[in-house]
Amino acid sequence: QVQLVQSGAEVKKPGSSVKVSCKASGGAFSTSGINWVRQVPGQGLEWMGRIIPILGLATFAQRFQDRVSITADKSTTTAYMEVSSLRFEDTAVYFCARDFSTGSNAFDIWGQGTMVTVSS
Amino acid sequence: EIVLTQSPATLSVSPGERVTLSCRATESVTNNLAWYQQKPGQAPRLLIHGASSRATGIPARFSGSGSGTDFTLAISSLQSEDFGVYYCQQYYNWPLTFGGGTKVEIK
Repeated sequence: QVQLVQSGAEVKKPGSSVKVSCKASGGAFSTSGINWVRQVPGQGLEWMGRIIPILGLATFAQRFQDRVSITADKSTTTAYMEVSSLRFEDTAVYFCARDFSTGSNAFDIWGQGTMVTVSS
Repeated sequence: EIVLTQSPATLSVSPGERVTLSCRATESVTNNLAWYQQKPGQAPRLLIHGASSRATGIPARFSGSGSGTDFTLAISSLQSEDFGVYYCQQYYNWPLTFGGGTKVEIK
């Protein structure tokens, strides 16, 4: 059974960066798209971007493409999402989630979420 | 980008009742639509993909229908564990987008 386990909660200052990890275990990693989804407290879900580890190719939602990078390390089956120039409004839970199948970008496996708090 | 509008925003329902949630897209997504359930403090759980296919382990009381721009998630007989927020998501075009959610409360 595939599991995605994310790194722990972070508290960061405005203007700094945060890097969240998402380790996959128990199944295919390199060929499955790994997505990042943000949820501001009390609000809905927002897709940020994704990577297909075997290709190393990342796709982003336009509003995130300037400050977000997504990478993957096939050797450790871990995906990473980094947000730079953090703002107060980046305070949110960040989820990683796996594509259901090739050609289907529904998300069948989710990480537990990582709370990132931006505070001075 | 494709905008998904969910209605109603909130639903208060008694156990055993039938529930229908709506999701409308600003342009056709064919059948590339998924539904998720999220409970407080948890990650979302995939219920339906391909507009009408139940994900693994999802009870038969959940069903999805629709294509193009109008979609429905139905819960045939609401159970107490079905409370939470339900989101639709389209994966027809980039960027992938979610609806704003429907909160289902148990009356």
